[in-house]
Amino acid sequence: KAGVTQTPRYLIKTRGQQVTLSCSPISGHRSVSWYQQTPGQGLQFLFEYFSETQRNKGNFPGRFSGRQFSNSRSEMNVSTLELGDSALYLCASSPGLAGSRSEQFFGPGTRLTVL
Amino acid sequence: GQQLNQSPQSMFIQEGEDVSMNCTSSSIFNTWLWYKQDPGEGPVLLIALYKAGELTSNGRLTAQFGITRKDSFLNISASIPSDVGIYFCAGRMNYGGATNKLIFGTGTLLAVQP
Repeated sequence: KAGVTQTPRYLIKTRGQQVTLSCSPISGHRSVSWYQQTPGQGLQFLFEYFSETQRNKGNFPGRFSGRQFSNSRSEMNVSTLELGDSALYLCASSPGLAGSRSEQFFGPGTRLTVL
Repeated sequence: GQQLNQSPQSMFIQEGEDVSMNCTSSSIFNTWLWYKQDPGEGPVLLIALYKAGELTSNGRLTAQFGITRKDSFLNISASIPSDVGIYFCAGRMNYGGATNKLIFGTGTLLAVQP
C-alpha cells in the first residue's frame, strides 16, 4: 500500500500570499489530520476531518482552513501568509477515528517558507 | 500551543548503550504514543499504549503507560546507529466523541556514536 502523500514537498511564498497544500491518505483511510511543526512550537494540531466533516480544530487563526473531499483527499489553505507561518506541515491519515484504535500514519510533510 | 514535557531534550550515547526517555503531562490521557522522526520525514509510529500500567515492546523498544495516566516512558536497549533521530511522545484524550487529535511532546534528540 502506498503511504500518505503530500504535495508539494517544498514551497516558497511571500507575505500576504495564500497557499494550498494537498494530502492524499492511504487507500481506505477516511480520517485525515493536519499538524504544523516549527522549532519554537513543536508539533501543533491544526484540524482533523472524517467523512468530509471537520471533527476537531486546533487553536489557529481563521486564516488556516481545510476541507476533505469524497475520496478522502484533503487540502489545507493558509491565506494572508505571515513570516511565522513558515513551518513543516504534516498530514496524517487513519482508517477511522480513535475509538477503533486505528492509529495515524504521517506523510513526509510540505516545507513552507514565507519570505 | 500545548506541548507535553519530554526529557531529556537530547542524548549523545555510544553504540550498544541503553536509552531512557520520558514524557509528563498535567492532563490525563487515555492513549500514549511514541514516534520517531528522521530529518526531512514525517513521524513514524513506534509503539501505541492504551491502558494505564500497560508495558509494550517492539523489538528493542519498550514503552510504558504510567499508572497516573499522566506520563509515559520509552526505553531503547542496545542502541545502534540507525536509532539516531528525534523521538516524540504524544497523548490523546477522548471525551465524548472520538478524535485522533494528538498533543505532542517537545522531543528528544538521540545521537548514537558508533
